[in-house]
Amino acid sequence: GAVVSQHPSWVICKSGTSVKIECRSLDFQATTMFWYRQFPKQSLMLMATSNEGSKATYEQGVEKDKFLINHASLTLSTLTVTSAHPEDSSFYICSAREGEETQYFGPGTRLLVL
Amino acid sequence: QKEVEQNSGPLSVPEGAIASLNCTYSDRGSQSFFWYRQYSGKSPELIMSIYSNGDKEDGRFTAQLNIASQYVSLLFSDSQPSVSATYLCAVKFPGTYKYIFGTGTRLKVLA
Repeated sequence: GAVVSQHPSWVICKSGTSVKIECRSLDFQATTMFWYRQFPKQSLMLMATSNEGSKATYEQGVEKDKFLINHASLTLSTLTVTSAHPEDSSFYICSAREGEETQYFGPGTRLLVL
Repeated sequence: QKEVEQNSGPLSVPEGAIASLNCTYSDRGSQSFFWYRQYSGKSPELIMSIYSNGDKEDGRFTAQLNIASQYVSLLFSDSQPSVSATYLCAVKFPGTYKYIFGTGTRLKVLA
């Protein structure tokens, strides 16, 4: 149990385009999902907390107009990187909360912006 | 400032030896602690959670929590090359669902 999927697993796009990443909890319902970003040889940095049916909560320094988050159902959250630029290239990982404590991570999406 | 600190390593141990990974945290109110394993290029995988003071065993892993000293450890009693990876310590914020992650310790078990 506690399986989280992400799609796509990798994406290459041109600068200025928008990219949507999906995060799904496959065998449980998740009222809360989280979006992280990880640069090479660094730890995970929380970008935002995604709450089903309400607005996402963004961490300090994360632009909410650039990283659009939608959590329309108990099993799906999406992150859209708008007008992507090369500095947005990173490994984007979502997690879903099961129960009160535990987060399970998706396999991640590697984004390369040319 | 809530912080979680780990030695980045690498921690190199011979096969069969004991490996100990340590993590300290700054928020005394924290009560939920997690260890994740991350292979290069992959996302983190949960391997252990611990919520109460003392030891918790799970197969090849033992987690130790010392609330008074504000540290949590992960021990491998019989290290095998297959456990070579980066291990991330995560601490849940009291009153929220958010985690703070340490920078991770890279463990290398030498055959």
